[in-house]
Order: sequence, then C-alpha cells, then structure tokens
Amino acid sequence: GAVVSQHPSRVICKSGTSVKIECRSLDFQATTMFWYRQFPKQSLMLMATSNEGSKATYEQGVEKDKFLINHASLTLSTLTVTSAHPEDSSFYICSARGGTGEVYGYTFGSGTRLTVV
Amino acid sequence: TQLLEQSPQFLSIQEGENLTVYCNSSSVFSSLQWYRQEPGEGPVLLVTVVTGGEVKKLKRLTFQFGDARKDSSLHITAAQTGDTGLYLCARRSTLGRLYFGRGTQLTVWP
Repeated sequence: GAVVSQHPSRVICKSGTSVKIECRSLDFQATTMFWYRQFPKQSLMLMATSNEGSKATYEQGVEKDKFLINHASLTLSTLTVTSAHPEDSSFYICSARGGTGEVYGYTFGSGTRLTVV
Repeated sequence: TQLLEQSPQFLSIQEGENLTVYCNSSSVFSSLQWYRQEPGEGPVLLVTVVTGGEVKKLKRLTFQFGDARKDSSLHITAAQTGDTGLYLCARRSTLGRLYFGRGTQLTVWP
C-alpha cells in the first residue's frame, strides 16, 4: 500500500535551536498534507494544513512563525520548529489524503519524537 | 465546534472478553472514521462509515454509525493482546481536514 515516510523518527535538540521534520508521500502525490501534534496519553491535535505551492493554513492557536511549513513539491512537506523550547517537546505526525484505497482515507507517517533539552 | 467525545478513555480487559467503545457528538457528520494507533507510530485507518445505521465488520471488529449520524461505536469480540492500542474516531471537515476524538486506550491482558 501507499506509504508516507517521515524523518527523523527521533530528534533531541538544544533549547533555542531549530529542527526540521520531513514528510514524503512515496508512491502517490499529495497536494495537501496535514501536521499533527500529540502529547503523551492524548489524542492528535491538528496544527496546520500544508498546501503544495501555497501558504499553509494554521489552526487557531498555532503560531505560524514558530512552526514553519513548506510544501515545495507534490510529495514533500516539511515542518520546522523554530527556536525550540522544552514545551515544544512532543510527537509530531504528518498525514496525506489518499493512499488507503478509501475515498476519504488518510495515510499517516510514523511520527517524529522531538525532545528539547 | 463539532467535538467528538470518546468513551471510555481507558479500558483494561482480559483476553477473550468483549468490549465496546463509543464516539459521540451533538453534530451530524457526513462520515466518521476509526483509526488504531500503536505507541510511537502514526494512526492506521480501520474503517469509514458513511450511511446512517450502517454496520461494517472487520474480522472481530464491528463498527456502527448511528441512525442520525451523530455517533458511532466499535465493538471488539473476543479481544486479543494484539488489539492493544489507542482507538481514535475522527471526522472530516468540509475542507478535508481530519479532527480526532480524545481516543480510547485499550489494554488487553493475556
């Protein structure tokens, strides 16, 4: 089946540095990708919608200057956490519509565990 | 806002038992999806329900969409340890964004 590849799977960074997470659709084109954040024992919270060739659309309360999204091609979206702080530590997951065989199916990446120290 | 309420939040049972988890809302949805997520992984789609009253079966899992399309349930028969995971219901917005409920963390003990 279709795969969404997300890298890195784990990253540890120092406070104040920036971290880039990549999300690729491997065998299908994704004009739209989605970025989620998940805290331990909690559900996925939608952060933003990444649109190929245009600006991302952010959910209410998500700082667009903090979480930079770039969707330069039909198969790649990146999320950059800028000036990371310990409270940004979380599990970040991307997804793309399609690739499941269902009309409304979404395929998810395997997530990135970010730890800011 | 069209919130999805899932219950129970946590469920711990013995292998072989049956269980049901619920996903409720005060809003009507065109469709609902159920996902299962294992630790350190992304969610995996189990099923999409679209028609009010619809029942879908996936081996030992039975999914039902309420007649009014405001609620859904997932019933697992004879649970196995491999069923352990976080079960999430989700709704798709008119703009194609997917919003999740809080999830039910299921633990099945041998």
